[in-house]
Amino acid sequence: QQQVKQSPQSLIVQKGGISIINCAYENTAFDYFPWYQQFPGKGPALLIAIRPDVSEKKEGRFTISFNKSAKQFSLHIMDSQPGDSATYFCAAVTGGFKTIFGAGTRLFVKA
Amino acid sequence: ETGVTQSPTHLIKTRGQQVTLRCSSQSGHNTVSWYQQALGQGPQFIFQYYREEENGRGNFPPRFSGLQFPNYSSELNVNALELDDSALYLCASSQRQHNEQFFGPGTRLTVL
Repeated sequence: QQQVKQSPQSLIVQKGGISIINCAYENTAFDYFPWYQQFPGKGPALLIAIRPDVSEKKEGRFTISFNKSAKQFSLHIMDSQPGDSATYFCAAVTGGFKTIFGAGTRLFVKA
Repeated sequence: ETGVTQSPTHLIKTRGQQVTLRCSSQSGHNTVSWYQQALGQGPQFIFQYYREEENGRGNFPPRFSGLQFPNYSSELNVNALELDDSALYLCASSQRQHNEQFFGPGTRLTVL
């Protein structure tokens, strides 16, 4: 019940294309859903986050879509660039502190 | 504004030894969380500290313990190291009222 399932495990996208990463959760107590970007040798960095009372949030080229009834949320990266090549993690937070991460998606954007 | 820093960067220990990892919070942050990230996996929540007390814990045994100091810096201690403890240990700081966490670069621990 505490798991966050993330797919795909890896993704290859052409430059300028749309990258889509999906996550699903079970625990309805989760109340905050962030996405993190991690480069090799670095800690995760917060990209964008959403609360379950909102269905979509957009920040620049990054958009989160949230489906509360289906307990699913996704990250869309528009106009993907080679510099976006990194590992992306979805996460879910409960109680204001306990963060459960997905297993990660390795994104490679081909120039 | 100083970000989250961790020390050391890398560490090699042998099975059965003890290790202490250190974290300095971002300025203005009063809460510190520790995570273990095995190779190719997502970070796993170990515990969180607020006001020098453990505020919540993930599924980790008692040989994982921590401290938070009055300046909000923190230590993670692991006793009786096992081979499976080899991982990247991440520290994240935040303000108590906010969910947004800022991660440090991590400490790479190798247990031989």
